[in-house]
Amino acid sequence: AQSVTQLDSHVSVSEGTPVLLRCNYSSSYSPSLFWYVQHPNKGLQLLLKYTSAATLVKGINGFEAEFKKSETSFHLTKPSAHMSDAAEYFCVVSDRGSGNNRLAFGKGNQVVVIP
Amino acid sequence: NAGVTQTPKFQVLKTGQSMTLQCAQDMNHEYMSWYRQDPGMGLRLIHYSVGAGITDQGEVPNGYNVSRSTTEDFPLRLLSAAPSQTSVYFCASSYVGAEGKNTGELFFGEGSRLTVL
Repeated sequence: AQSVTQLDSHVSVSEGTPVLLRCNYSSSYSPSLFWYVQHPNKGLQLLLKYTSAATLVKGINGFEAEFKKSETSFHLTKPSAHMSDAAEYFCVVSDRGSGNNRLAFGKGNQVVVIP
Repeated sequence: NAGVTQTPKFQVLKTGQSMTLQCAQDMNHEYMSWYRQDPGMGLRLIHYSVGAGITDQGEVPNGYNVSRSTTEDFPLRLLSAAPSQTSVYFCASSYVGAEGKNTGELFFGEGSRLTVL
């Protein structure tokens, strides 16, 4: 079964500095990968997705992620953090080609932005 | 454009009571699902459905029932609530791709916070 590892459950960044959230995945098939963001007391919202096209994926609010098959990684980055980026971020993997209809969620990165 | 609507937003139950969390979507999505979110655990799939009349179990189905009589609605039933079911519950929907699987692009409701005493 597919799985996701997100290290650093809590991440603090200063406003205007880069954001890096790490995601490593395990998948028996060609994976689809996603990053979701959850603002306080809200549902999750899709930030970006990788299916099988370009390995560098751009999402909303200036975020991007790069799929690296050799490293089984899909790290999320943003050049300059904004106060509105304070939220929890989840990396998600889906096994394309497997028989199951399930997504595997990481445990999340809680991002705090320091003014 | 309502998207995915969950009710109630907050609920307090006593152990042994029953209740239903409601979920409705207006996007004509075939796939609907229920997740629970607990601190440090990410989201765990409870039940899901790929169309009216079709449901299946996720990772943590025990203590929960679902049904899918229409495309729009996917209620989650707790038959006899337990303190371990204290959690935030999210309903999410998606289109189904060519392989009959959800596309991974989920649309989430705003959550239902349940406390079982």
